[in-house]
Amino acid sequence: DVKVTQSSRYLVKRTGEKVFLECVQDMDHENMFWYRQDPGLGLRLIYFSYDVKMKEKGDIPEGYSVSREKKERFSLILESASTNQTSMYLCASSPPRRTSGRIYEQYFGPGTRLTVT
Amino acid sequence: KNQVEQSPQSLIILEGKNCTLQCNYTVSPFSNLRWYKQDTGRGPVSLTIMTFSENTKSNGRYTATLDADTKQSSLHITASQLSDSASYICVVSASSYGGSQGNLIFGKGTKLSVKP
Repeated sequence: DVKVTQSSRYLVKRTGEKVFLECVQDMDHENMFWYRQDPGLGLRLIYFSYDVKMKEKGDIPEGYSVSREKKERFSLILESASTNQTSMYLCASSPPRRTSGRIYEQYFGPGTRLTVT
Repeated sequence: KNQVEQSPQSLIILEGKNCTLQCNYTVSPFSNLRWYKQDTGRGPVSLTIMTFSENTKSNGRYTATLDADTKQSSLHITASQLSDSASYICVVSASSYGGSQGNLIFGKGTKLSVKP
């Protein structure tokens, strides 16, 4: 069974704080993703990574950065948290194209609900 | 513009009843369509994935259909249970000509409540 874990289920931070959200997967997947989910907006891609030290911007990268130093770990960083970054953050991973064909099945973590006050 | 629209936004049904959720998409070029179930406060879990050549796929009491000509999909839930209460998200993958990832376009989901 694929296991994607996220460091915290709930997090409360103050405006201006630097925030780290950690994600770890145990299936040796090359690809990892960070999404945020807001009511009425669905899931939106922030960043993804298809290899160690590689990253690509998603649809809403502003205010975020990422780090992928090891294959199993993908971190999302809020350099200076703001109240509009209050959201549910979801991490996902998927195997590479050469093994999954065109399907790119994504496996999601349980999510981190971040509140910025 | 690539879009995925789901209907209804929310639905309440009685335990034991059947229901059907709809997904219309305008995504090109189409690669595959998937349905996810998301329990409140949890991450989405995959129910089915269908490629262009598949028009129906089942996973227990869940049956997804795909009409690639009309660009419509439905998720039918049979004999609903209280544990089916969740959001159901339709996701369409666009073919990627470069890079390692297909582009996923998410619907906003249908919130299903099953009442006893």
